[in-house]
Amino acid sequence: NAGVTQTPKFRVLKTGQSMTLLCAQDMNHEYMYWYRQDPGMGLRLIHYSVGEGTTAKGEVPDGYNVSRLKKQNFLLGLESAAPSQTSVYFCASSYSRWLGNYEQYFGPGTRLTVT
Amino acid sequence: SQKIEQNSEALNIQEGKTATLTCNYTNYSPAYLQWYRQDPGRGPVFLLLIRENEKEKRKERLKVTFDTTLKQSLFHITASQPADSATYLCALESGYSTLTFGKGTMLLVSP
Repeated sequence: NAGVTQTPKFRVLKTGQSMTLLCAQDMNHEYMYWYRQDPGMGLRLIHYSVGEGTTAKGEVPDGYNVSRLKKQNFLLGLESAAPSQTSVYFCASSYSRWLGNYEQYFGPGTRLTVT
Repeated sequence: SQKIEQNSEALNIQEGKTATLTCNYTNYSPAYLQWYRQDPGRGPVFLLLIRENEKEKRKERLKVTFDTTLKQSLFHITASQPADSATYLCALESGYSTLTFGKGTMLLVSP
């Protein structure tokens, strides 16, 4: 099993450009999450999904959109990148809470710089 | 919303000693609390989960306590090793299957 994978690993964008980060998991997890991690701020939840075709806002959703068209994939889009979106982005996944297992499995991260 | 406090200063200890990390929270007590380890340049890795009705949980050299009266969790690593050096994150249930993470405490174990 590859676990949780993220594409790309690194990216540099100019202000105003758009891009999509791809997260894929092969563990048949129901839930998926996108976080950003900034120095001194810790991990903050951007958006999450509790199943295929569903998404919800987290703590810092502004400037981002997400889609979960397939159970194994969760896409994070930046429509018009801003320097404030320079960060390390982590995707995570977990089983449904009804299975009683709440741990999250994280991907390796995408380091994004917006100039 | 839940506020989580972890020591922002790094904890330096000698190999073989017990490391104790603190996680304090405000507001409501969560149904469960988790601890993760994060190495530089990598994603967090789950270590332990403790539920609100559990006082203590152990896994090998790791021990977690959960005091809902004090609104505090303690994370212990006994017989610490240099390989235990990492940042440790506390995370609390914050909604429907979502977590709120603390900023983490860096642990440095010297030989």
